[in-house]
This record gives sequence, structure tokens and C-alpha cells, in this order.
Amino acid sequence: QQQVKQSPQSLIVQKGGIPIINCAYENTAFDYFPWYQQFPGKGPALLIAIRPDVSEKKEGRFTISFNKSAKQFSLHIMDSQPGDSATYFCAASNSGGSNYKLTFGKGTLLTVNP
Amino acid sequence: DTGVSQDPRHKITKRGQNVTFRCDPISEHNRLYWYRQTLGQGPEFLTYFQNEAQLEKSRLLSDRFSAERPKGSFSTLEIQRTEQGDSAMYLCASRTKGDSPLHFGNGTRLTVT
Repeated sequence: QQQVKQSPQSLIVQKGGIPIINCAYENTAFDYFPWYQQFPGKGPALLIAIRPDVSEKKEGRFTISFNKSAKQFSLHIMDSQPGDSATYFCAASNSGGSNYKLTFGKGTLLTVNP
Repeated sequence: DTGVSQDPRHKITKRGQNVTFRCDPISEHNRLYWYRQTLGQGPEFLTYFQNEAQLEKSRLLSDRFSAERPKGSFSTLEIQRTEQGDSAMYLCASRTKGDSPLHFGNGTRLTVT
């Protein structure tokens, strides 16, 4: 049972575009939702994270939108740059009961063309 | 803060051999995690340590896998009698207490031939 479903699998945008990556979760006990960026040969690096008490969080060019009733959250990248080309993973955990064990989506390969 | 360090970065082994990976977490991070990532997939949780105590193990961690963190600092992950299906990136991550985020190392890529 895949607890975090991520889409699309891949995404191509032009420089300056706004790619949007979506995730849906099933476990209502999840209360921490981070996004990670991963370049080839590197480990995932935390980009931004949100908790269900807010509907949106912005850090620089990255914004998370969160819809608790729909159990969905998404990542928006404003003014995307070729350097943003990477694989993006959403994740979720139950910070209260599961030792912050993260459940990851399958990832989205983003390509930003110059 | 030098980041989470993993060694080796790459390991090629023949089926049936034993391999051991090492993880050095960020200094003073008392919580340490091992994940496995296969091609085209997100990382999957394997096991979790708080200090030297192994508090949780995934069912993905078969009897051939063992992890230790003897002094609550570095950790090792050993795979015995490797199989081709063990080929993956093995990621280590660490964090402090409370709401601190999880920091990943760059992983050890295992290839079993």
C-alpha cells in the first residue's frame, strides 16, 4: 500500500515557468510534510516543509500548498531555473508516534530547459 | 557541521559476499536512520536508532541485514550473503530531537553482480 502518491512522474518546463508537483496521502495521522530535492549521485536535501495547521508556506522561490480535507499537498517552484533540474520527493510522517520515520513518494524528475 | 558522511560511496560485490557500510552522522545528532533507494523510487525506511538503541526496524530489513550503533555515534549496516536484489543506494540520515529536520548523506551505492 503506497501511502504517499506523487505526480507527475516527470515534468519539463521552460526557464521562468512554474512547475507544480502534487502529492496525496492516506494516513490521517501524518502531520509533517517535507519536500526533498535530489541531484544525481547525491542524497536528498530538504527544501521546505509544512504542518497541517497552515495552508501555505513560502521559502524563496518554493511554495507548499496544503489541503488537509483533501489530504493533498503540492510544491510550486516560481521562476524556475535550469539549476532546479533535479528529482523532487514529497514525504510525510507522524511526528508524534513514528520517530519521524518518513514515507516518501516515488519522485518527480523535473527538467527546466534554458 | 560537516554533514552526514557515508563510506564507501560505491561498492561492487559478488552475490553471496558480505558487505558493511559506515555512516557518521552530524555531530551531536542522536537520532540516526537508514533508508534504501532503488532506481526511480523514493527512499524506503529500513531502521532507526536513538543514541545506541535500535528502536524500529522495517520488515524490509531481512535477517541478512544487521545495523549497529555501538556508542551512539557512527553506525554500520551489514548485509550478509548479498543478493542481486540488494543492489540499491543505501542512505543514512540524522537529526536532533524535537522538530529538527532529517539530514541525509550522499549514500553508498551497492551493486551486486
